[in-house]
Amino acid sequence: EPEVTQTPSHQVTQMGQEVILRCVPISNHLYFYWYRQILGQKVEFLVSFYNNEISEKSEIFDDQFSVERPDGSNFTLKIRSTKLEDSAMYFCASRIQGEDYGYTFGSGTRLTVV
Amino acid sequence: GDSVTQMEGPVTLSEEAFLTINCTYTATGYPSLFWYVQYPGEGLQLLLKATKADDKGSNKGFEATYRKETTSFHLEKGSVQVSDSAVYFCALSDRAGKSTFGDGTTLTVKP
Repeated sequence: EPEVTQTPSHQVTQMGQEVILRCVPISNHLYFYWYRQILGQKVEFLVSFYNNEISEKSEIFDDQFSVERPDGSNFTLKIRSTKLEDSAMYFCASRIQGEDYGYTFGSGTRLTVV
Repeated sequence: GDSVTQMEGPVTLSEEAFLTINCTYTATGYPSLFWYVQYPGEGLQLLLKATKADDKGSNKGFEATYRKETTSFHLEKGSVQVSDSAVYFCALSDRAGKSTFGDGTTLTVKP
């Protein structure tokens, strides 16, 4: 069964450093998303991406965040200057176009900012 | 904005017991509804879905029916197993595909 692949599975970074979280969506999917889950809290929408541009973003997705699809297969989330409160599980998801809006999620990257 | 309210957990059941996890939603328009499951240490997996009123989603013995009149999508299973222990998330998706999740309900099934 096709999978969404995320790397790394766990990243530890110092406050103020830049991090790039990587995702390889399913090849025929057209819509891409990043969500995050702070430990013990709900899953929160960050950003959606379609046709090489952001289609929607949440209040969480401020100027410190950016997304890119650099080569037609990877989909990256960059945090420019990490803060302690960025520590969370970050999930990439993709879906195919159509009425079925169910996502295929990746297994997540646990980001720990120290 | 859209919102999803789930039954508070944690829920602890004995093996073979009947499971219900309540979920209600508020949304404009006609969202699609989903249940996702998160096993310990893993990501989110789509468990089942329903895209219009009165649809029943089912998978692995779990079922949920899209009830527009009560804006609900309760998850049920007739006989739970220890392996069903996980966190269950109810979610809705708008026409643009953006999803809103409930807080999650932790289910523990004891042998």
